[in-house]
Amino acid sequence: EAQVTQNPRYLITVTGKKLTVTCSQNMNHEYMSWYRQDPGLGLRQIYYSMNVEVTDKGDVPEGYKVSRKEKRNFPLILESPSPNQTSLYFCASSSSNYGYTFGSGTRLTVV
Amino acid sequence: SQQGEEDPQALSIQEGENATMNCSYKTSINNLQWYRQNSGRGLVHLILIRSNEREKHSGRLRVTLDTSKKSSSLLITASRAADTASYFCATGLTNDYKLSFGAGTTVTVRA
Repeated sequence: EAQVTQNPRYLITVTGKKLTVTCSQNMNHEYMSWYRQDPGLGLRQIYYSMNVEVTDKGDVPEGYKVSRKEKRNFPLILESPSPNQTSLYFCASSSSNYGYTFGSGTRLTVV
Repeated sequence: SQQGEEDPQALSIQEGENATMNCSYKTSINNLQWYRQNSGRGLVHLILIRSNEREKHSGRLRVTLDTSKKSSSLLITASRAADTASYFCATGLTNDYKLSFGAGTTVTVRA
């Protein structure tokens, strides 16, 4: 089944403790992206990647890092999480302008 | 940055009625897409309309695009309880896959 898999689905962590949210797609898509969703703000793009080893900042990149060493994986790294990064995170991928395929989301709480 | 703005923010209708929501955007686009999100889940791609198209249909969905007014509408005909969800428009500015999402319209279909 064609899908984008994110892990974990839920995560509670403490301020300053580094964490990684994984994202993997099995559709051979070139494009991958991370969004965060907050009430009333819609989806805001954090980082995106056009292909392997090509990444760029979205609209809200501060406090996040990404890497794209393989085509299928696009992990999101929070080096020192803070409470304002509490949010619902989505990974998405696409091969062209035919729409994104989204993962099921990761609900992150930073206390 | 948020490109699209949906209107209304929320909509409540009776099962069997039609639901219409609108999306306005600020700059020229390459394509406009609509997505559905069930509570807390990942977004699901519904339909994509390109800037040179005026109308598209998919099942009970009808999307129109008016580039002169920088607006789009999504019509769901003969609504069902399962259509209860949030609907987002997303604009693609170029052919580089990047999408900007609006804040969404929450649709409640009453049985």
